[in-house]
Amino acid sequence: GQQLNQSPQSMFIQEGEDVSMNCTSSSIFNTWLWYKQDPGEGPVLLIALYKAGELTSNGRLTAQFGITRKDSFLNISASIPSDVGIYFCAGVRDSGAGSYQLTFGKGTKLSVIP
Amino acid sequence: GAVVSQHPSRVICKSGTSVKIECRSLDFQATTMFWYRQFPKQSLMLMATSNEGSKATYEQGVEKDKFLINHASLTLSTLTVTSAHPEDSSFYICSAREGGLYEQYFGPGTRLTVT
Repeated sequence: GQQLNQSPQSMFIQEGEDVSMNCTSSSIFNTWLWYKQDPGEGPVLLIALYKAGELTSNGRLTAQFGITRKDSFLNISASIPSDVGIYFCAGVRDSGAGSYQLTFGKGTKLSVIP
Repeated sequence: GAVVSQHPSRVICKSGTSVKIECRSLDFQATTMFWYRQFPKQSLMLMATSNEGSKATYEQGVEKDKFLINHASLTLSTLTVTSAHPEDSSFYICSAREGGLYEQYFGPGTRLTVT
């Protein structure tokens, strides 16, 4: 099925550095969600974006919903070792009967070097 | 809030047998539940969407007779892998959505190994 274009695919950073990743799509989405997945676990919701241009923070995380509703970025400030994991963006669309399915990016694997 | 549990977390079964995986929303009513499959180092692949009390809607290429989904209540959905084969070995994850909201909350996943 359709997937969002998420970049970078992976990144290695030093502890304390800031991180930025983004997602783009050719389609418009109602809502953008950012998840983090640790190995062997299910994704955990980090931030939800509802309005075009919206900028939302959750602790050291900041995400913005693009004005065209076709893109989003996630920033992590002052990275720490527990930030390691795979970050997925997901766009929400109404697939009919109010199901609101998610379309996922391929993920950004973040590695933090102590 | 918004906690979703899955059981079992790991299961090993023999080829030809059936396996049932449970997904529960613990602190909210899930009008819609979703089942995903994830292969190593890949993103989540949606298998089916189920609304409480209705038949599940399967994605293209997913065999509905092989992956039986039941969403009998607002807090429980089950996925049964029938006549499992080694190629069904994978990480299965459910998610749940409360009516009126867009966010999906995921369970911790079930690692299925078919020998």
